[in-house]
Amino acid sequence: DTEVTQTPKHLVMGMTNKKSLKCEQHMGHRAMYWYKQKAKKPPELMFVYSYEKLSINESVPSRFSPECPNSSLLNLHLHALQPEDSALYLCASSRGGSVGELFFGEGSRLTVL
Amino acid sequence: DQQVKQNSPSLSVQEGRISILNCDYTNSMFDYFLWYKKYPAEGPTFLISISSIKDKNEDGRFTVFLNKSAKHLSLHIVPSQPGDSAVYFCAASATGSARQLTFGSGTQLTVLP
Repeated sequence: DTEVTQTPKHLVMGMTNKKSLKCEQHMGHRAMYWYKQKAKKPPELMFVYSYEKLSINESVPSRFSPECPNSSLLNLHLHALQPEDSALYLCASSRGGSVGELFFGEGSRLTVL
Repeated sequence: DQQVKQNSPSLSVQEGRISILNCDYTNSMFDYFLWYKKYPAEGPTFLISISSIKDKNEDGRFTVFLNKSAKHLSLHIVPSQPGDSAVYFCAASATGSARQLTFGSGTQLTVLP
């Protein structure tokens, strides 16, 4: 199993809603990531979890709240988002240690109305 | 300030010919470089990587060249196939950067039959 699975694939939410994006991998990887990608832009790193501990938070607003319940799961909780937060949210995993190959999921397309 | 730059947003090549995608970087601390391929509605997929101790890495039809003095790398695809049509992202990281990949803005490759 070499997949990173993200749900939902599409999400539309209002600015007062609370929703979550989910990510799962069963490759035994010990590092997991959230990236944000806007149209025609490169992926931008948001958070990194290493061995289930948050190791990097790239100055992301608190309306985005990551959670790593176990080594296979990564969530991104969303609350009080703004329309400019509409983007493709990509989850990735890697074996751990030094940075190497990232395995990406297909992404969750988020639209904030 | 973009530390990884892909100055060509798009490239068209005839099937069977060579595709050359270019990438420049400004951060001299970068010592590991990767290329990712992205199809529409899918997450990026790892293609090939190169460490700064090498100047060339080859994997089948794909070869990455690194010129450290020029802070330039390129991806060669020979022969190009229509299935190679995708967005190609260059990415870089630095040892000790705690798993942070910096992506370029991508190049849309179209291989014409």
